[in-house]
Amino acid sequence: DSGVTQTPKHLITATGQRVTLRCSPRSGDLSVYWYQQSLDQGLQFLIQYYNGEERAKGNILERFSAQQFPDLHSELNLSSLELGDSALYFCASSVSTAPLLYEQYFGPGTRLTVT
Amino acid sequence: SQKIEQNSEALNIQEGKTATLTCNYTNYSPAYLQWYRQDPGRGPVFLLLIRENEKEKRKERLKVTFDTTLKQSLFHITASQPADSATYLCALDISRGNTPLVFGKGTRLSVIA
Repeated sequence: DSGVTQTPKHLITATGQRVTLRCSPRSGDLSVYWYQQSLDQGLQFLIQYYNGEERAKGNILERFSAQQFPDLHSELNLSSLELGDSALYFCASSVSTAPLLYEQYFGPGTRLTVT
Repeated sequence: SQKIEQNSEALNIQEGKTATLTCNYTNYSPAYLQWYRQDPGRGPVFLLLIRENEKEKRKERLKVTFDTTLKQSLFHITASQPADSATYLCALDISRGNTPLVFGKGTRLSVIA
């Protein structure tokens, strides 16, 4: 158990809908990262927050947004969903904003299926 | 363009042998490289980190090498066991510590008893 929690575990929704994925980082970790993993693309970095502020952006679509709250939990919002958004979404946390110096702890993921 | 390639999608080896996985990159100058293990349907788990000025790092049956001239990292599992069967991901930085990791697509290792 990494100490990172994600809810829900599974989500099935229809095209055009909006969903919210939730992540609670490990106790003491200030950085939260969101990743998308699909079979053909591998693990793709979406966005990073550090202590409530956006720190880095990756291949995140404009239809997707995220935030980190004062209690450090984070939410990833996906809107106008398309079939191609079906994937595993992982949240990870680390103690620092410098991810390379410290290992990242990954949550169990949310499997999103868009029908 | 920048690329990270892991040598093969799948690797099968006999129990007790050494598994060697390769991570090659182009057009990057990473300061660090990490290796993760991922089991089906689960999040990646950190294994080892190696810095550019370190040639080799060991942890129990695991060994990682980092050759910045060849732009390659090798990941070895000695005395492999069926429990080592998983997908192994390499990850490196693309801006020398300023942005998060970029992951390779992984190599799926199967250790056959």
